[in-house]
Amino acid sequence: GAVVSQHPSWVICKSGTSVKIECRSLDFQATTMFWYRQFPKQSLMLMATSNEGSKATYEQGVEKDKFLINHASLTLSTLTVTSAHPEDSSFYICSVLQGDQPQHFGDGTRLSIL
Amino acid sequence: KQEVTQIPAALSVPEGENLVLNCSFTDSAIYNLQWFRQDPGKGLTSLLLIQSSQREQTSGRLNASLDKSSGRSTLYIAASQPGDSATYLCAVIRNQFYFGTGTSLTVIP
Repeated sequence: GAVVSQHPSWVICKSGTSVKIECRSLDFQATTMFWYRQFPKQSLMLMATSNEGSKATYEQGVEKDKFLINHASLTLSTLTVTSAHPEDSSFYICSVLQGDQPQHFGDGTRLSIL
Repeated sequence: KQEVTQIPAALSVPEGENLVLNCSFTDSAIYNLQWFRQDPGKGLTSLLLIQSSQREQTSGRLNASLDKSSGRSTLYIAASQPGDSATYLCAVIRNQFYFGTGTSLTVIP
């Protein structure tokens, strides 16, 4: 069964709206979760590392004030795209790290901003 | 910075053919290498994980090899089927995942 649940799987909204994406670890507690972004016909790029109980670590070029990450519990991390614009339309995927085991990936969220 | 390249970017083969997908990376100091499959609009399905001390892994019709010294990995798919049509991503792992650009595979019935 699924180890990671990501919700919603697809969202369409108007420009200027804020959108929240949830990533849940179903079977274990995850101190670290990762958020990736994938533009059409491009590969996944790491956006940020989400650490439970502390501030997320963002990759170079990713605006932390635009992409708000909250990892308030050991099973849930959220990514909020604030004041989304069409250029933010992308496929967002989270992954969960369990110790030294391979990362488990969510099914992704397709975000379309009109 | 680690760069991961996959060749070819797209591949179309008739059903039943054996095929090889290539992945190259610039920094050989990696922990592991993992191959994924991604269907359109979907997340990632892990296919094979090769630890840095290993040279290959096999699962069914899939065989992945790893040559750290040359910065290369290959994914061999035997007797391809239309259901194998997808994008295949390799990722090298050292502290974080570095994904390749992907190979879009189409297997023609």
